[in-house]
Amino acid sequence: QKEVEQNSGPLSVPEGAIASLNCTYSDRGSQSFFWYRQYSGKSPELIMSIYSNGDKEDGRFTAQLNKASQYVSLLIRDSQPSDSATYLCGMEYGNKLVFGAGTILRVKS
Amino acid sequence: SAVISQKPSRDICQRGTSLTIQCQVDSQVTMMFWYRQQPGQSLTLIATANQGSEATYESGFVIDKFPISRPNLTFSTLTVSNMSPEDSSIYLCSVGQGGGYTFGSGTRLTVV
Repeated sequence: QKEVEQNSGPLSVPEGAIASLNCTYSDRGSQSFFWYRQYSGKSPELIMSIYSNGDKEDGRFTAQLNKASQYVSLLIRDSQPSDSATYLCGMEYGNKLVFGAGTILRVKS
Repeated sequence: SAVISQKPSRDICQRGTSLTIQCQVDSQVTMMFWYRQQPGQSLTLIATANQGSEATYESGFVIDKFPISRPNLTFSTLTVSNMSPEDSSIYLCSVGQGGGYTFGSGTRLTVV
């Protein structure tokens, strides 16, 4: 069973700070990773995808992938109260997507 | 990205009965996925549905409990059979397309 590990949190950061969300995975063969945001009562929405080692930036979000160490991270700069949600780390293998437990992020104004 | 219409959005059902959830996609897709999200938990993959073949179930999920149909490339159903209160969850369908996975709006099921 392929596994994705996340600290469930909650992670609390002040408004304007950088939020750092982390994820480790068990399958060295996995190539594709995704970060989803899920607001309470809503379905997950894709924030970032990352496929190769290094950083990928999109606005206030930066995804980082280190395949040798088997971890993926998501940085949120200038955190806003509207970023308060659960962040799900997803790993694709065998043409299907599995998720970690999700990290609850709370941004305090 | 694909747009998914899922229904019903919610239902309250009696134990021992069955509920069928439908997902309609606005484009043809090879694979559709069904997930369960138990209260306060993350998403757990139930099965992968390919058109023209039997669905592939993940460990802990069986066809008798969660039969799936996939009659064409834009539609799938998941049935939750012989329900018990432990089946109370949100059920979501998903498709993979263009470098990401899109989710339906979910079906919130309460079994009483």
